[in-house]
Amino acid sequence: EVQLVESGGGLVQPGRSLRLSCAASGFTFDDYAMQWVRQAPGKGLEWVSGITWNSGSIGYADSVKGRFTISRDNAKNSLYLQMNSLRAEDTALYYCARRHASDIWGQGTMVTVSS
Amino acid sequence: IVMTQSPATLSVSPGERATLSCRASQSVSSNLAWYQQKPGQAPRLLIYGASTRATGIPARFSGSGSGTDFTLTISSLQSEDFAVYYCQQYSNWPYTFGQGTKLEIK
Repeated sequence: EVQLVESGGGLVQPGRSLRLSCAASGFTFDDYAMQWVRQAPGKGLEWVSGITWNSGSIGYADSVKGRFTISRDNAKNSLYLQMNSLRAEDTALYYCARRHASDIWGQGTMVTVSS
Repeated sequence: IVMTQSPATLSVSPGERATLSCRASQSVSSNLAWYQQKPGQAPRLLIYGASTRATGIPARFSGSGSGTDFTLTISSLQSEDFAVYYCQQYSNWPYTFGQGTKLEIK
């Protein structure tokens, strides 16, 4: 079964860091670009970051540029999002998704930034 | 690139046709996807390449457009189609979503 499973979310204080992980299974991970997309409670979807299959091209939303870092380990079939200097407005459900037009999504991991 | 969807809310009766619009602030060619999201669920890809249905998507869903103006049409609404719909451009980083159109039962 093709599957993405996110982990690493939780409650964190403003200014602190968190690292999200996304474990892929059921497909050849290094054939695909990957994305992180977030959704604040009751709000719409916001694209966060994307990475090509070989990490040769990476993009970030302006709202996270300089604070978040996307990476992948194809040997471990895993995608990561290092989030530094977290703000209250980063509170959201974070999804990882396969491909530029995302056909497979995880169920998300919740990040809450609050003191 | 700013993606603007209209209307914000669309009220349609089951069996009728629904037309949702998405406009890009600059050309995205055909690098446009449509997603459906129901409460408590992850988004589901409906259309990519502006007009290609994703695997398993019923034929009542169709997409059209290129450049800056795009349309998602649902030809005969079923009860399971009432949800929020998002467009997304994936032409250039940073990719961007529209704010969504809520399709509700009339």
